[in-house]
Amino acid sequence: QQQVKQSPQSLIVQKGGISIINCAYENTAFDYFPWYQQFPGKGPALLIAIRPDVSEKKEGRFTISFNKSAKQFSLHIMDSQPGDSATYFCAASKGSRLTFGEGTQLTVNP
Amino acid sequence: SAVISQKPSRDICQRGTSLTIQCQVDSQVTMMFWYRQQPGQSLTLIATANQGSEATYESGFVIDKFPISRPNLTFSTLTVSNMSPEDSSIYLCSVSSGRGREQYFGPGTRLTVT
Repeated sequence: QQQVKQSPQSLIVQKGGISIINCAYENTAFDYFPWYQQFPGKGPALLIAIRPDVSEKKEGRFTISFNKSAKQFSLHIMDSQPGDSATYFCAASKGSRLTFGEGTQLTVNP
Repeated sequence: SAVISQKPSRDICQRGTSLTIQCQVDSQVTMMFWYRQQPGQSLTLIATANQGSEATYESGFVIDKFPISRPNLTFSTLTVSNMSPEDSSIYLCSVSSGRGREQYFGPGTRLTVT
């Protein structure tokens, strides 16, 4: 059973545009929602994370929006750059066990 | 965040053999985890490596196939036993200091079984 659903599977954005990746979860016990960025041949790198007591968190060009009632959260990348081209994973956890979404391959064209 | 290294970075192994992957952290951490990432896919938690006691395995993963050791707060090993081509994957360790919920990942070990 896939507990975290992520969309879209792939995304192409022009340089300077906004990239938006969405995730939905089923388990209401989840209380921590991180996003990871993974480049080919590398391990995932923690980008930004949010807890369900806030609706939005911003770090630089990256923003998480969280909708607890809808059990959805999303990553917005403002002013997308070619260097942002990577695979992005959302995740959710209760305690220490992370459950990952399927991943979104982002391509930012120059 | 902690600096995490894994050895080997990649290997090609014969069917039926075993491979032990090492994960070393540059500082003491509370929790260490092992994940599998099949090519082009998401990450799946194999087990939590517990210091001084048996690892806690997720559904679908068993100790006989994936024995794990964690002798101290900075080191863990994962063995992939009696390998088959279906075990070809990237194996990743991650760590958490326990102060927050953040988990940080190592660079991964790319395993190919022929």
